[in-house]
Amino acid sequence: QKEVEQDPGPLSVPEGAIVSLNCTYSNSAFQYFMWYRQYSRKGPELLMYTYSSGNKEDGRFTAQVDKSSKYISLFIRDSQPSDSATYLCAMSAPSGGGADGLTFGKGTHLIIQP
Amino acid sequence: DSGVTQTPKHLITATGQRVTLRCSPRSGDLSVYWYQQSLDQGLQFLIQYYNGEERAKGNILERFSAQQFPDLHSELNLSSLELGDSALYFCASSPRRGASYGYTFGSGTRLTVV
Repeated sequence: QKEVEQDPGPLSVPEGAIVSLNCTYSNSAFQYFMWYRQYSRKGPELLMYTYSSGNKEDGRFTAQVDKSSKYISLFIRDSQPSDSATYLCAMSAPSGGGADGLTFGKGTHLIIQP
Repeated sequence: DSGVTQTPKHLITATGQRVTLRCSPRSGDLSVYWYQQSLDQGLQFLIQYYNGEERAKGNILERFSAQQFPDLHSELNLSSLELGDSALYFCASSPRRGASYGYTFGSGTRLTVV
């Protein structure tokens, strides 16, 4: 079982729809959760950051973390064609030696149809 | 522009050769991370440097090495290249020692081994 699982898609929805993107993970030590957006041939860009469980909202984006289920979500409201990209979840455990990079999901390719 | 500069943007080389990828972090950032992104493996953490010293290692092959210089720029050296090394290589930087709050990626170097 991979540490972080993410459906690669593609996920195609009409403009204006609410989009739900999800990741599951197996490492209970993960405490910090992030969502990155990556446009084709570009580097990933940090969208949302959440610590431990709970919700965080930023404009049209809402991130949710459910540590008991080891499940995180990103919701996009009023989706726009410019939201079409690959969305990667990422997570890390508290710093303390050893491998300290973020662990990424493989990404979900999202297509917003005009 | 994320502030993280990677050169070159594209590189085509033959099997068995050696290449050097360069990264300049954002001004003020002390940590540099290297990642490899391929279609089948997703983003894989290779290595982290903090203020000139190696801090964490991920899935980095013995044929690969890196260093961070006193001016904080970093180089990733890939030797005895194989076809399977073809991938996007990203550098990311952060002001912190740990990965907990995420970091900023550059635009990547696309390496093609023929």
